[in-house]
Amino acid sequence: NAGVTQTPKFQVLKTGQSMTLQCAQDMNHNSMYWYRQDPGMGLRLIYYSASEGTTDKGEVPNGYNVSRLNKREFSLRLESAAPSQTSVYFCASIPLTGLSYGYTFGSGTRLTVV
Amino acid sequence: QKEVEQNSGPLSVPEGAIASLNCTYSDRVSQSFFWYRQYSGKSPELIMSIYSNGDKEDGRFTAQLNKASQYVSLLIRDSQPSDSATYLCAVPGEAGGGNKLTFGTGTQLKVEL
Repeated sequence: NAGVTQTPKFQVLKTGQSMTLQCAQDMNHNSMYWYRQDPGMGLRLIYYSASEGTTDKGEVPNGYNVSRLNKREFSLRLESAAPSQTSVYFCASIPLTGLSYGYTFGSGTRLTVV
Repeated sequence: QKEVEQNSGPLSVPEGAIASLNCTYSDRVSQSFFWYRQYSGKSPELIMSIYSNGDKEDGRFTAQLNKASQYVSLLIRDSQPSDSATYLCAVPGEAGGGNKLTFGTGTQLKVEL
């Protein structure tokens, strides 16, 4: 069981470039989340998808877009990367039953924007 | 927006001692609370969840919840060097809010030989 898989693991972008971070889960989970983690700031929610076909903004959505492609996949897109988006990005998911067992996190994508 | 506060540390304890990690939150509606452990360069992993006032024990870990005081803590008994990590407290958001979690900034724990 792979759990939550994120690609790529590392990425360096130039300011203004675009890219898509991929996330896929094989646990038949219903809800999926994108967080970013910065030193001293903790994990902050960017976007989430409560179920297939729905997406909603989190705490820090500016500069990002998301797509819930199907039940398994939830991608995060940076249209025009900025140095302020340098961060570690985590995808997470939970089953239909909710938060009883907390989130399952992917291994993260370490993004540097220069 | 729910606030979750933790002392950033580092909290240093000798091997074999009890480590006590604390978390306070600003909302009184939360029903469940979570503790995650995050090793440097890794993703968070769930170690404890607690829903009711009082203590919940799992091996060397004990979570304590006091909803009236809006306080949740994590005790690690017989601390080991492998417990050295950052511990994140997490609280669910508003009811019907998509099961979002709000995380504290984490407490770094160092267990010294």
